[in-house]
Parts: sequence; C-alpha cells; structure tokens
Amino acid sequence: DAGVTQSPTHLIKTRGQQVTLRCSPISGHKSVSWYQQVLGQGPQFIFQYYEKEERGRGNFPDRFSARQFPNYSSELNVNALLLGDSALYLCASSLYWTSNEQFFGPGTRLTVL
Amino acid sequence: AQSVTQLGSHVSVSEGALVLLRCNYSSSVPPYLFWYVQYPNQGLQLLLKYTSAATLVKGINGFEAEFKKSETSFHLTKPSAHMSDAAEYFCAVTPTGGGNKLTFGTGTQLKVEL
Repeated sequence: DAGVTQSPTHLIKTRGQQVTLRCSPISGHKSVSWYQQVLGQGPQFIFQYYEKEERGRGNFPDRFSARQFPNYSSELNVNALLLGDSALYLCASSLYWTSNEQFFGPGTRLTVL
Repeated sequence: AQSVTQLGSHVSVSEGALVLLRCNYSSSVPPYLFWYVQYPNQGLQLLLKYTSAATLVKGINGFEAEFKKSETSFHLTKPSAHMSDAAEYFCAVTPTGGGNKLTFGTGTQLKVEL
C-alpha cells in the first residue's frame, strides 16, 4: 500500500513569490496535518484538516493557508515568501482527527532565496 | 500548554552499547507520548507510543520506553546500539482529547561509533 506522498520533493523560490505544496494521504485516511521543520529543530504544527474542514491551526501568519479536497488530499499555500520560510514541510495523515497515530510523508524541501 | 524537553542535542555511543535518549514532558494531565526517528532527507517514522495502557512500551527495531509519571519522563532505550540506529530522534506529545496535534521536542542526534 502506498504511504503518504508529497510533491514536489524539492522547490526553490525567491522572496515574495507564492508556493503550493501537495499531499496525498494513505488510502482511507480522512485527516491531514501539515508541519514545518526548520533545519536543526523539531517540526512545528501548521494546520490540521478533517473531512475538508480546518480542525486546528498553529502559530503561523495568515500568509499560510491550506485546504483539503473531497478525495482527502491537501494543499498548503504560502504567499509572500520570506527567507525564514525555508524548511522541510511535512504532511501527516491519520484515520480520524483524534487518531493517536499519524503517518508522515517524506516532505517537501523548500528553499527561499 | 503541553511541551516536551529533550536533554542532549547530540548523543554518541559505541556499537553494542546501551542507547539512552531522554525526554521529559510538561502537562497538567497525562498526555499521549511518542518517539519518532528521522533519517537524513526523510520524513518521520513512528518508533513507539504511550497511550495510557502499559507504562513500558516496546517499539520497532528493539527500542522501548518507560512512562514515569512521578518523574514526568518518557526516556527511550535500546540495549545494544547498531550502526543503522544513527539518526535524529524526536520525542512528541499530543493531548488526550480533541485533535492529534503533535508538539515535538528539539531532537537528539544519535551517533553510533565502531
């Protein structure tokens, strides 16, 4: 069975640009969460979506937004990119929004120049 | 707010030696606790989890952890280190009710030497 998939693998953008990252959860999983991992730090929670509704939001500016589609895949959008947005963006899926086990994808490495 | 603290950003052990990675949590109620491993340029893999059942939890690859409420700790151990254990390890916590948002520690880089 396919695990959580993310695209693209790597991305290079310049300051001020916008970026869209994509995530496909494990088949049957209805919840998707996004995390940002800056080099040398632990992942930080950005969003959780369940059944296309936002169920949680971390301490990130409004430049960050996300959505979930009817097939439970998800997109993370970041506008007006800053150098500090350079990070590994991880997607995690779980059966339900309260499930205590989440499965992580390989991540998208975003570099902002 | 819940949080975890990992003591030691870098730990080095010899192959065959005991691995001990430390994690302490802060929570007003016993939370759910997790250990994840991250290999270079990869995502996170769940090693083990504590969800208020047995306090001694066994995970994959020979790792185990013990939940100690009196010490607010959830240290990760492995009796004998292998070269393939070299990776970054993250302790994490979620609330026992509501969503499953993970709050991670800062990570411990494990180095295994011959």
